Amino acid sequence: DAGVIQSPRHEVTEMGQEVTLRCKPISGHDYLFWYRQTMMRGLELLIYFNNNVPIDDSGMPEDRFSAKMPNASFSTLKIQPSEPRDSAVYFCASSLRTGGDEQFFGPGTRLTVL
Amino acid sequence: AQRVTQPEKLLSVFKGAPVELKCNYSYSGSPELFWYVQYSRQRLQLLLRHISRESIKGFTADLNKGETSFHLKKPFAQEEDSAMYYCALVIIFGKGTRLHILP
Repeated sequence: DAGVIQSPRHEVTEMGQEVTLRCKPISGHDYLFWYRQTMMRGLELLIYFNNNVPIDDSGMPEDRFSAKMPNASFSTLKIQPSEPRDSAVYFCASSLRTGGDEQFFGPGTRLTVL
Repeated sequence: AQRVTQPEKLLSVFKGAPVELKCNYSYSGSPELFWYVQYSRQRLQLLLRHISRESIKGFTADLNKGETSFHLKKPFAQEEDSAMYYCALVIIFGKGTRLHILP
């Protein structure tokens, strides 16, 4: 198993452009999480899904951010329009269930918005 | 509200010295706490969880409900311990502490 897969690994874009980040969770995991990592704020939970249904999106910073999970093996995080302050590393993670279960993280997507 | 606080952004410790990474949490129920580690150029990964009460790579962490703390400890630091450490209350993470082991 390759673990959680994210693409692209690096994204450089200009302010105002649409950005789409992709994630493939570990097969059989019911939960999928999107996090943003910055020096100032550390690791912030943006949204998480259970069985493809969004459960808590209170961490999504603005309406410019949206996330979908059309099936159990794929999720996207979209930023439209992007802004320089969105520059960060975005992580996707999955787990069998929440509570006492370990989260498995992807390698992250480093986003730079110029 | 659930919250995890890691008061130190950076901790520098000499090799062979003891290490303590602090973590305090805010939660009204029975907490489930984790320590995750991110080594250079590697994925964030689980180091240990409080329910298993195990020692991983020489690290231990004890849950203190009275002080609402879950500090990570190791008696003798090694150079390979240099990494970013995150304390987590299930899915709520602290801001992380970068541990730098000095030779």
